Amino acid sequence: DSGVTQTPKHLITATGQRVTLRCSPRSGDLSVYWYQQSLDQGLQFLIQYYNGEERAKGNILERFSAQQFPDLHSELNLSSLELGDSALYFCASSVAGGGLSTDTQYFGPGTRLTVL
Amino acid sequence: ELKVEQNPLFLSMQEGKNYTIYCNYSTTSDRLYWYRQDPGKSLESLFVLLSNGAVKQEGRLMASLDTKARLSTLHITAAVHDLSATYFCAVDWGNTPLVFGKGTRLSVIA
Repeated sequence: DSGVTQTPKHLITATGQRVTLRCSPRSGDLSVYWYQQSLDQGLQFLIQYYNGEERAKGNILERFSAQQFPDLHSELNLSSLELGDSALYFCASSVAGGGLSTDTQYFGPGTRLTVL
Repeated sequence: ELKVEQNPLFLSMQEGKNYTIYCNYSTTSDRLYWYRQDPGKSLESLFVLLSNGAVKQEGRLMASLDTKARLSTLHITAAVHDLSATYFCAVDWGNTPLVFGKGTRLSVIA
């Protein structure tokens, strides 16, 4: 158990809908990262927040957005869902935000999203 | 462009045999991570390599880093079925997010 929690574990929804995925980082970690993992695209970095502020952006679609709250939990919002959005979504956390520090990312159990 | 390439992507090996997974990356870095992922599960941190020549070992797995060659290896000794999983390397270039390789799917067969 990494100490990172994600809810829900599974989500089944229809095309065009909107969902919210939630992540709570390990105690003491300030950075949260979101990743999408699908069979054809591998592990794709989406976005990083550090202490409430967006730190880095990866291959995140405009239909997706995220935020990190004062208690450091984070939410990933996916809207106008398409079949291709079906994937495993991981959240990871680390103590710092990268840069000069050594900063292992610890991954949560993931949310499996199925869009029908 | 920051790139991380792993090979092989698929590996089927017999129990008791040794093998090496390679992780090449495009630009100098001295921080590299190895993760393990079981099917449908999360990624588990295995090793953190922080300098040229770093070597870490845990059980039947040994990871090393050669920053001059921009290469890390994950060596498997006397494989057992429990090592079947997908192994990812990820490179830290500082002020950019980790870049992951595509993963090596290892299957250990009797």
